[in-house]
Amino acid sequence: NAGVTQTPKFQVLKTGQSMTLQCAQDMNHNSMYWYRQDPGMGLRLIYYSASEGTTDKGEVPNGYNVSRLNKREFSLRLESAAPSQTSVYFCASSEDRESYEQYFGPGTRLTVT
Amino acid sequence: SQKIEQNSEALNIQEGKTATLTCNYTNYSPAYLQWYRQDPGRGPVFLLLIRENEKEKRKERLKVTFDTTLKQSLFHITASQPADSATYLCALDMVGDMRFGAGTRLTVKP
Repeated sequence: NAGVTQTPKFQVLKTGQSMTLQCAQDMNHNSMYWYRQDPGMGLRLIYYSASEGTTDKGEVPNGYNVSRLNKREFSLRLESAAPSQTSVYFCASSEDRESYEQYFGPGTRLTVT
Repeated sequence: SQKIEQNSEALNIQEGKTATLTCNYTNYSPAYLQWYRQDPGRGPVFLLLIRENEKEKRKERLKVTFDTTLKQSLFHITASQPADSATYLCALDMVGDMRFGAGTRLTVKP
C-alpha cells in the first residue's frame, strides 16, 4: 500500500498563476483533508471531505477550491496564487471524520513569488 | 477563541532520560486528543489517541495523560533515544474538526 500520495512535491508559481495539487489514498478511507503548515502556526485545515460527494470549508478556505473526484482522490486548486499561499500543503485521510487517526501524505512545498 | 499551546518550541534532553511534552488548550472540551510525530520534510505520523474519559494511555515507551480539569495533556517518552528526535504535535477534536498545536521540537543528545 502506498498510503497517501501527493503530487507535485515542489512547485514555484508566480503571483496570479493557478495550479492544482493532487492527492490520492489507497486505504479505502471515507474522509480526506487538506492542510497547510506554516512555521510557528501548526497545521491549519483548509477543506475537508467527510465522504465521497461532499466537501466543506475548514479554518482557512479563502483562495482555495477542492474537488472530491472519487473515493480515492481529493484535489486542491489555487485559482490565482498569492505570496500568502506560500506554504507546505499536506493531504490526509481517515477512516471516518470522527475519532480516527489521520494518515498524511509527504507534502507539497509551494512557493509563490 | 479556542487555543492550543505546546509548552515550548524546542526541548533538548540527554539520551536515556524521560522527555515530557505539554499540550494546553482553552475554551473547549475535546472528546479526544491525539499526538503525532513529524520528521523534517515529511508528513505527521499518528502515535496515540486518548479519549476524554481516559486518564492515561501507553504504547511501548510512550505515555499520554489527559486532564480535562486542567485542560492539559502530557506526552512522555521514557528511555529516550536520538532516534526520538523529531517534532511532536498534539491535535484536538474541535467541533468535529481536528486542530493542531504548533509542535515541540525534541532533540535527544547521545
